[in-house]
Parts: sequence; C-alpha cells; structure tokens
Amino acid sequence: NAGVTQTPKFQVLKTGQSMTLQCAQDMNHEYMSWYRQDPGMGLRLIHYSVGAGITDQGEVPNGYNVSRSTTEDFPLRLLSAAPSQTSVYFCASSYSTDFYGYTFGSGTRLTVV
Amino acid sequence: KQEVTQIPAALSVPEGENLVLNCSFTDSAIYNLQWFRQDPGKGLTSLLLIQSSQREQTSGRLNASLDKSSGRSTLYIAASQPGDSATYLCGAGGGNKLTFGTGTQLKVEL
Repeated sequence: NAGVTQTPKFQVLKTGQSMTLQCAQDMNHEYMSWYRQDPGMGLRLIHYSVGAGITDQGEVPNGYNVSRSTTEDFPLRLLSAAPSQTSVYFCASSYSTDFYGYTFGSGTRLTVV
Repeated sequence: KQEVTQIPAALSVPEGENLVLNCSFTDSAIYNLQWFRQDPGKGLTSLLLIQSSQREQTSGRLNASLDKSSGRSTLYIAASQPGDSATYLCGAGGGNKLTFGTGTQLKVEL
C-alpha cells in the first residue's frame, strides 16, 4: 500500500516553461487536493477534487490547472512557470473530508529561475 | 474565512520535559482538527485526528484536545525525546479543505 505518491521530488524550471506535477493514491480516496507550502505562510490550498470529473478552486488557484479523469490520479499543471511559483507542493487525499483525516504525499520541491 | 494560529512559533526544551503546543482557530464550524508532524525537507505525517464531536484523542505519548467553543486545540507531548524534534502543524478541517497554522518548531535537547 503506497499511500500518496508524488513525482518528481525535485524540479528546476525556467520562467515560462510548463510542467505537470503528478499525484497518485491507491487508497480509493474520493477527495484529492494540492497545497503549496511557503516559508512563513503555512500550507495553502490550490485546487481540490471531490471525485473523478469534479474539480474546484482553492485559495491560490491562479497559474495552475488540474483535472481528475480517474479516482487514483490528480495531476497539477503549471502552464507558464513564474518565480512566484517556487515552492514545495503537497498532494493530499481523504476518504471523506468530514469524518476522515488527510494523507499527504512526500512533496515536490519546485524552483523556477 | 478560517484563520489558524499556532503558538509558540518555536520551542526548545530539555529531554524528558512534558510540553503543550497550542492551536487556535477563528471559525468554530469545523468538522475535525488534525495534528501533523513535519521533519525538515519531508512531508506531513498525521499524528492525531479529532472529530468535531470529540474532546480528545490519544496515541502513545501524545494527547490532543479540542474545545470548539473557545476555538482551541492543544497537543500534549509527554516525556519528550530528541526524536520528537520537528515542526508540528495543526489543520482545521471544513469546507473540503484543511486550513493550517504556520507551525511550532520543536527542538528537544539532550
């Protein structure tokens, strides 16, 4: 049982490049989400999904796109990377956000130069 | 908008001491509160989850309490060890998201 798997672990991008951060879970969780963690600001929600085919915006969605074609996968796309997107990105999942806790991946450390 | 505050921001204690980490939240309409541990450069490890109908949860040397009416949760660590050194985060759950505080960085010294 792998839990929540994020790839890659580290990435350096040039300004304007695009990339996709991958997130997969094998726990049959309906809910999945992406957070970014910045020093002094805590973790902030980017996008989330309550099931396949359903996504919604979080607190800081600008510059990011998501899709949820399967229950297992929830990729995060940066269409045109900016230095302000330098951060550590975490994917999290839950069976039900009301009554169950969240399981987090190990994170992707992204640097945009 | 939910806001979560954790005090203190940093704490250094000698090994063996009992300690309390504090978490306060502004909106009491939460479904649950979850405490996490984060080691440097690592992900978040769940420690305890308290449902909104519960008052406390215990796991080993850890005890977390929740008082929704006052908007507070505490994490009690008994007989602290150097291996407890990490950043501790609380997340208030509701509305399909966790709202996090900025964490308490704990150092347990020999």
